[in-house]
Amino acid sequence: AQTVTQSQPEMSVQEAETVTLSCTYDTSENNYYLFWYKQPPSRQMILVIRQEAYKQQNATENRFSVNFQKAAKSFSLKISDSQLGDTAMYFCAFMKPASTNSGGGADGLTFGKGTHLIIQP
Amino acid sequence: EAGVTQSPTHLIKTRGQQATLRCSPISGHTSVYWYQQALGLGLQFLLWYDEGEERNRGNFPPRFSGRQFPNYSSELNVNALELEDSALYLCASRSDRVPGNTIYFGEGSWLTVV
Repeated sequence: AQTVTQSQPEMSVQEAETVTLSCTYDTSENNYYLFWYKQPPSRQMILVIRQEAYKQQNATENRFSVNFQKAAKSFSLKISDSQLGDTAMYFCAFMKPASTNSGGGADGLTFGKGTHLIIQP
Repeated sequence: EAGVTQSPTHLIKTRGQQATLRCSPISGHTSVYWYQQALGLGLQFLLWYDEGEERNRGNFPPRFSGRQFPNYSSELNVNALELEDSALYLCASRSDRVPGNTIYFGEGSWLTVV
């Protein structure tokens, strides 16, 4: 079974600063997907960024980027020029690739416990 | 394009009753997932449906069940409700045609058991 660990329950930074959220995971799979989701007070889970394990290049989406270290099983999220709207719970998640046993398709996400990020004005 | 939609937004039930939650996936998505987000317990995988069949379930008792309809919408049923079933229930959908197998979430249904 996969496990995902987020070691920072809460972080607080000033607006416009850069912040890095940590995530480590444990798996015996060689190919998989990793995601960061954001959950603001509205509670909707919003995809921030995704990374395919077979890609060495780190994913970036505007102010959001990841540092994917496959050998270390580490997947941190960097938020540059942080904004007040970035205040939210951030969840790191792991997903296995298509399973031959189930005829195709992945069987869901395994989440970390989340990091509550607070951006101070 | 409409996202994943869930209903009802809020539901209050009495212990022992049954609750039914509904989910419509993004158009073209055939996989539907249900997750429970209880206070202090994080996000737990409940059920996965694909092409009308249950593909996998998480570590939940059999009173948590559901189904997927021919139009790929889904419902989650919770029988014999217990106080600890109070949680946010999130539905998500996925398509094999979308790169990265990304799972997209709805806004959730709040279930309160009193």
